[in-house]
Amino acid sequence: RKEVEQDPGPFNVPEGATVAFNCTYSNSASQSFFWYRQDCRKEPKLLMSVYSSGNEDGRFTAQLNRASQYISLLIRDSKLSDSATYLCVVSLYSGGGADGLTFGKGTHLIIQP
Amino acid sequence: DTAVSQTPKYLVTQMGNDKSIKCEQNLGHDTMYWYKQDSKKFLKIMFSYNNKELIINETVPNRFSPKSPDKAHLNLHINSLELGDSAVYFCASSPGQGDGELFFGEGSRLTVL
Repeated sequence: RKEVEQDPGPFNVPEGATVAFNCTYSNSASQSFFWYRQDCRKEPKLLMSVYSSGNEDGRFTAQLNRASQYISLLIRDSKLSDSATYLCVVSLYSGGGADGLTFGKGTHLIIQP
Repeated sequence: DTAVSQTPKYLVTQMGNDKSIKCEQNLGHDTMYWYKQDSKKFLKIMFSYNNKELIINETVPNRFSPKSPDKAHLNLHINSLELGDSAVYFCASSPGQGDGELFFGEGSRLTVL
């Protein structure tokens, strides 16, 4: 079983719609969780951390479900510029120690006009 | 100013050659990394250095040798290149080992013919 699993997509979504995708992780000892965004042929960039109580940053909402070992990302009012690959990242360390980071393969999102 | 810069961006070379990729960060971070992203898009850590000292050395062939002359630089030398080495190599840095936010360079796309 892969450590961090995501549906690779692509998810084709009309502009303005709400889209959500999940990521499951296999190691129950995982402590910290993140979503990174990677544009085509570019480097990954941190989108947001995922906190136990869930958190929101503008149109983006991240949730963590420890019991079922998954995290989710919800994007409201999607924009063309949201088209990218979204990488789920899980760490074994509470500080998010980068040496313990495991990346998912990413979910490819395409926002259509 | 580019925070994490790597050179070259593109590298096309023959099997059996030796090549180097250089990385520099001007963020004042203590920790630097090399990641490999292959054609299947998995991003996997190869090496991690903290203040010039090797912290992580994942299972990579010993043809790959990192060198950190100071904490702002982490270079990657690859001997006897093989077809399977073709990938995008990302350099990254973080403020410390316990910090989950990674700042990536733009990547170096290596193609071995």
